[in-house]
Amino acid sequence: KAGVTQTPRYLIKTRGQQVTLSCSPISGHRSVSWYQQTPGQGLQFLFEYFSETQRNKGNFPGRFSGRQFSNSRSEMNVSTLELGDSALYLCASRPTGTSGAIYSYNEQFFGPGTRLTVL
Amino acid sequence: AQSVSQHNHHVILSEAASLELGCNYSYGGTVNLFWYVQYPGQHLQLLLKYFSGDPLVKGIKGFEAEFIKSKFSFNLRKPSVQWSDTAEYFCAATYNQGGKLIFGQGTELSVKP
Repeated sequence: KAGVTQTPRYLIKTRGQQVTLSCSPISGHRSVSWYQQTPGQGLQFLFEYFSETQRNKGNFPGRFSGRQFSNSRSEMNVSTLELGDSALYLCASRPTGTSGAIYSYNEQFFGPGTRLTVL
Repeated sequence: AQSVSQHNHHVILSEAASLELGCNYSYGGTVNLFWYVQYPGQHLQLLLKYFSGDPLVKGIKGFEAEFIKSKFSFNLRKPSVQWSDTAEYFCAATYNQGGKLIFGQGTELSVKP
């Protein structure tokens, strides 16, 4: 199976702009989560989507939003970019159990990330 | 608040040395614990996980971890490291059936040949 893919891999934007990042989960995975990785704050959870519904949200301002489509692909949007938004944005997908539910102990499979630089 | 902490930020070892990386998690309910590794230029991948049963968990590449509930710890061990183990290691937890992974700060491991 192909792994989690993220596009674009690198992005350079200027302050005030907005950006959309895309994530395609592993085939069959219906849960997609997003994380931000920075040298100072480490890995922080942004949000999780399952069956097109946001299940959980981290402590990020409303400028960070996301959505999930019926094919489980997900997008993340950041509006009014700030210098501090420069980071590696990681997407992860995880499988459902035989009942169709997702479990907290299921492994999350990570993509390569999108490196966002805000100038 | 639910949190995960890793004791060491940077560890330097010689090949064949034994490795133990510390990880502590806060109390917050039912917890599932994970160790992820990020090799240079590669994406995060799972080394091992614990969710119930035998507290000694074996993972890939000879790694193991022990869940000690009384100490809120989940330390990662390997008896003999190789140069190829050079990477950043992250301890993480989910709480109460949630999907949110809470990560520790990460430990950078450098293995000298």
